[in-house]
Amino acid sequence: RKEVEQDPGPFNVPEGATVAFNCTYSNSASQSFFWYRQDCRKEPKLLMSVYSSGNEDGRFTAQLNRASQYISLLIRDSKLSDSATYLCVVNTGNQFYFGTGTSLTVIP
Amino acid sequence: DAGVIQSPRHEVTEMGQEVTLRCKPISGHDYLFWYRQTMMRGLELLIYFNNNVPIDDSGMPEDRFSAKMPNASFSTLKIQPSEPRDSAVYFCAEGPDTQYFGPGTRLTVL
Repeated sequence: RKEVEQDPGPFNVPEGATVAFNCTYSNSASQSFFWYRQDCRKEPKLLMSVYSSGNEDGRFTAQLNRASQYISLLIRDSKLSDSATYLCVVNTGNQFYFGTGTSLTVIP
Repeated sequence: DAGVIQSPRHEVTEMGQEVTLRCKPISGHDYLFWYRQTMMRGLELLIYFNNNVPIDDSGMPEDRFSAKMPNASFSTLKIQPSEPRDSAVYFCAEGPDTQYFGPGTRLTVL
C-alpha cells in the first residue's frame, strides 16, 4: 500500500468553480502535512501547510482529519492560474512522502 | 534570492554512460534531499543528507546510483552505468520541514 494516495484526476472545472481534492495517508504516526503545487515542467512549490485545526489562505482551505487519515484542499472561485498539479505531502518524521498529484485544469 | 541551483538542466546520454547531476543548495539549511520524478511513479525520495551526512539512502534504486555531499553548498548524484529506465526528472531540495526544490535535471538515457 502506498504511503500517500491521491485521486490523479484530471479535474476540469470552469472559472469560478469550487473544487476539492482529497488525499489519504497510511502512517497514523505522521507528523506534518503539506500541499505543494507543481506547474508543468517546473519544480514543486509549497502551497500551504496543513494544521490540525484547519487553515485558510485566501481562496485555499486545507483540512486534516487524523482519525480518518486524510487531508483535503478546497479551492474557491477557481482562476485560470490555478491550473496545475497539486501534490499532497506527508512527513512521518523520518521521511517525506509525496502523492502522485492531482491534475487541475480551470477552463475559461 | 537565487534559490537551489541544479545543473545541468537537461542531459541526454547513451545507455552505459556515466551521468553526474549537481546541486547547489542555499546555505543555512541542514537537510538536502534528492528525488526522482516519473509519470508512472511520481516523486520518489532517493536519499537525504543532514549536515552533509547521508541519513537514509533506502530509496536509491541500486548500486548504480551514488550520492555525495562533500560540503554544505554542493551535492552530486551519480549514475554509473546509466540505463534507459533511469530517464526521469531529478530534483534536489533542501529542508528540513518546508522543502525548497531546485528546477530539476531532465535526464534522458537512450
